[in-house]
Amino acid sequence: AQTVTQSQPEMSVQEAETVTLSCTYDTSESDYYLFWYKQPPSRQMILVIRQEAYKQQNATENRFSVNFQKAAKSFSLKISDSQLGDAAMYFCAYRGRNAGKSTFGDGTTLTVKP
Amino acid sequence: DADVTQTPRNRITKTGKRIMLECSQTKGHDRMYWYRQDPGLGLRLIYYSFDVKDINKGEISDGYSVSRQAQAKFSLSLESAIPNQTALYFCATSDGTSGRSSYNEQFFGPGTRLTVL
Repeated sequence: AQTVTQSQPEMSVQEAETVTLSCTYDTSESDYYLFWYKQPPSRQMILVIRQEAYKQQNATENRFSVNFQKAAKSFSLKISDSQLGDAAMYFCAYRGRNAGKSTFGDGTTLTVKP
Repeated sequence: DADVTQTPRNRITKTGKRIMLECSQTKGHDRMYWYRQDPGLGLRLIYYSFDVKDINKGEISDGYSVSRQAQAKFSLSLESAIPNQTALYFCATSDGTSGRSSYNEQFFGPGTRLTVL
């Protein structure tokens, strides 16, 4: 079974600075997807960024980017120029190509200090 | 209008009561899911359905049942609620028909906060 580990229960960053959230996963599959979701206090799950395992290029979405290291099974999220609105819980998720269902990490709570 | 809706948004009930949480979607997706979130933990899969006639147990299905009434509707039932089922419940959908070009990403409803006293 796949597992997803987020080793940082809490992180904080100063506004306008950069922060990196860590995620590692365990799988025997070669074809899969990885996702980062944001959950603000409204509790809505919002997709931040996604990556296909067979794509070597790291995904980027505006201020959000990932460092995908397939051999190391690592998928970290970098938030640049942090904003107060980035404060939320962030979840890393894994989905096998044909599995249809996702496995989530336990989340990292990000605090942004003004 | 929201693509994935859940009713109710909040519910307080008592131990032993039967509870139904409902999920509807207008995205036209074939796949639907129910997840549970506890404080400090990620989402855990309760049940999932890849079409109306396909229902599968997830990792924590004990104490729960589901019904896929139509492609757009997927309900979760707690036959006899107990306090440790107090949690945030999410419904999600995905499109399983779009082929390799799609990430088959999941789209989540707003969640239902359930409290069992």
